Amino acid sequence: DAKTTQPPSMDCAEGRAANLPCNHSTISGNEYVYWYRQIHSQGPQYIIHGLKNNETNEMASLIITEDRKSSTLILPHATLRDTAVYYCIVSDGSNDYKLSFGAGTTVTVRA
Amino acid sequence: NAGVMQNPRHLVRRRGQEARLRCSPMKGHSHVYWYRQLPEEGLKFMVYLQKENIIDESGMPKERFSAEFPKEGPSILRIQQVVRGDSAAYFCASSPRTGLSTDTQYFGPGTRLTVL
Repeated sequence: DAKTTQPPSMDCAEGRAANLPCNHSTISGNEYVYWYRQIHSQGPQYIIHGLKNNETNEMASLIITEDRKSSTLILPHATLRDTAVYYCIVSDGSNDYKLSFGAGTTVTVRA
Repeated sequence: NAGVMQNPRHLVRRRGQEARLRCSPMKGHSHVYWYRQLPEEGLKFMVYLQKENIIDESGMPKERFSAEFPKEGPSILRIQQVVRGDSAAYFCASSPRTGLSTDTQYFGPGTRLTVL
């Protein structure tokens, strides 16, 4: 019952931007797009979330298409410590508190 | 501002024993969520609690598992008579539930339970 689709894996060169795509074609109007990552066996780390406008914080940027059916998480300058599983999750954040962690995208940053 | 705290980080139990996992939410957060991650799988929601109330326990196994979040002290996830299939990482998250349209959950480091 996953609401999002992500590629299973991707590689990125250290120092380059990493662009992680996510499809969420059935997203409803009040649902946000959240991104978390899980670095080997650690707890999921919140990265960023957005509704329809592009968002940027100290960790990443989130680009959401105008129709909101897909989005891209951008890590501007990937480091080896960004190697992790990245999860794209849609949730209305209030009533839909059961975050659904699918398989995510395993990102490997290579030196 | 300290993050979500969980202890112990690692817990080893023999079959039939009890496991108690503790979670202290972030300062100012009054809502706690527990998730379980079985080996090689994604996190699965177990239970959502507010202080002294269980809001949603639809993800909890019907037997042996219970959770509480007392007025004072941490939230406790209790597993009675553990079996090998309970071996997993248990993560706690907390949120402020400000009533705004979005409410981000922040996760702790997890407790890794191993049942021998």
